[in-house]
Amino acid sequence: GQNIDQPTEMTATEGAIVQINCTYQTSGFNGLFWYQQHAGEAPTFLSYNVLDGLEEKGRFSSFLSRSKGYSYLLLKELQMKDSASYLCAVRERYNQGGKLIFGQGTELSVKP
Amino acid sequence: DGGITQSPKYLFRKEGQNVTLSCEQNLNHDAMYWYRQDPGQGLRLIYYSQIVNDFQKGDIAEGYSVSREKKESFPLTVTSAQKNPTAFYLCASSMGLNYGYTFGSGTRLTVV
Repeated sequence: GQNIDQPTEMTATEGAIVQINCTYQTSGFNGLFWYQQHAGEAPTFLSYNVLDGLEEKGRFSSFLSRSKGYSYLLLKELQMKDSASYLCAVRERYNQGGKLIFGQGTELSVKP
Repeated sequence: DGGITQSPKYLFRKEGQNVTLSCEQNLNHDAMYWYRQDPGQGLRLIYYSQIVNDFQKGDIAEGYSVSREKKESFPLTVTSAQKNPTAFYLCASSMGLNYGYTFGSGTRLTVV
């Protein structure tokens, strides 16, 4: 089976750095995705990790450790518009459907 | 421009009625997915299809049905057997295993 855990909510200050953690247990791993979702809207793609290490993309970075079943999303220079839900999702292998299994999401509130 | 379109954006249904949510994509993606999202929760998989004329049940398929007669289209029917259908429904498509999902804008279904 699959299990994905991330904190329910976090609060941070504008201009600061925040790290959102995600731990997972899965029978077949084929990559980890991070999505951003504003209230009432569809999720939008942020990052993808399939190998261990750090992927950097502007203010956003994502890290993966497959041996530990652990990932984090790092947001730098926080802006008010970063207030959103951040979804961690693990991709199953193709013979398991290749589908994404989502965590419950972390609601991030950025305060002035 | 290529994309994935869900309609309608808001839908109201009386108890005991079936209703069909539309999902159309012109991205030439093989795989398509239906997820349900309840307030404060992550996405839960209803049905998915990796190829035309084939589809598989997800984690919460009871009370739902789908068809995949064309590559571009993956409609979801919410039947009267679904006991708690009020939710935000998201359709997604994917190019392949190393790619994430492209999401539609979602349909918010309310049973009145």
